[in-house]
Amino acid sequence: NAGVMQNPRHLVRRRGQEARLRCSPMKGHSHVYWYRQLPEEGLKFMVYLQKENIIDESGMPKERFSAEFPKEGPSILRIQQVVRGDSAAYFCASSPPIGVFGADTQYFGPGTRLTVL
Amino acid sequence: AQKITQTQPGMFVQEKEAVTLDCTYDTSDQSYGLFWYKQPSSGEMIFLIYQGSYDEQNATEGRYSLNFQKARKSANLVISASQLGDSAMYFCAMSSTGYQKVTFGTGTKLQVIP
Repeated sequence: NAGVMQNPRHLVRRRGQEARLRCSPMKGHSHVYWYRQLPEEGLKFMVYLQKENIIDESGMPKERFSAEFPKEGPSILRIQQVVRGDSAAYFCASSPPIGVFGADTQYFGPGTRLTVL
Repeated sequence: AQKITQTQPGMFVQEKEAVTLDCTYDTSDQSYGLFWYKQPSSGEMIFLIYQGSYDEQNATEGRYSLNFQKARKSANLVISASQLGDSAMYFCAMSSTGYQKVTFGTGTKLQVIP
């Protein structure tokens, strides 16, 4: 049973380019979360999605950042016109539907390390 | 709003000894969950242990146990018989039950000495 998959593991972009980060949740999980970890810091919540719905995006910057979780395919975190301050590790996590055993626990992917030159 | 406080930026422990990593939390929610995650130098986040606020017994998972003191709002992680592979960052985290946004602490860097 594969865990949460994220790709790419490392991504290098120049300022002004777009970054697309992908996340495939664990099998049977319908909830996806994105977190950002700046160097030497803890993880900060960005957005919580269910299939085709954004449930909570209170942690996501209003500009340049967007997220989706389509009916088919992985969840995508998109950062437009990247700046140096976007350099961080971006983690995706997934959990089962509420009411299912284990729904309170989020399982994390390996992260995508974004470096903006 | 929820807040997690980890006051130990770094800890050392001798191999085979037990170590306690501190975590206090603040929330106005009645029902919530507490977690510990391990982040080795390779960077991935590994789930270790979960404690529900209404669980009467402290959670245990192998060498990990969570010392949950609800009145003091503390959720310390105890690692027994430390191993070299336990060297990593450890994050305490919490979420409200049924609302799954997780709030993380700033982490404790544990180093196990041979």
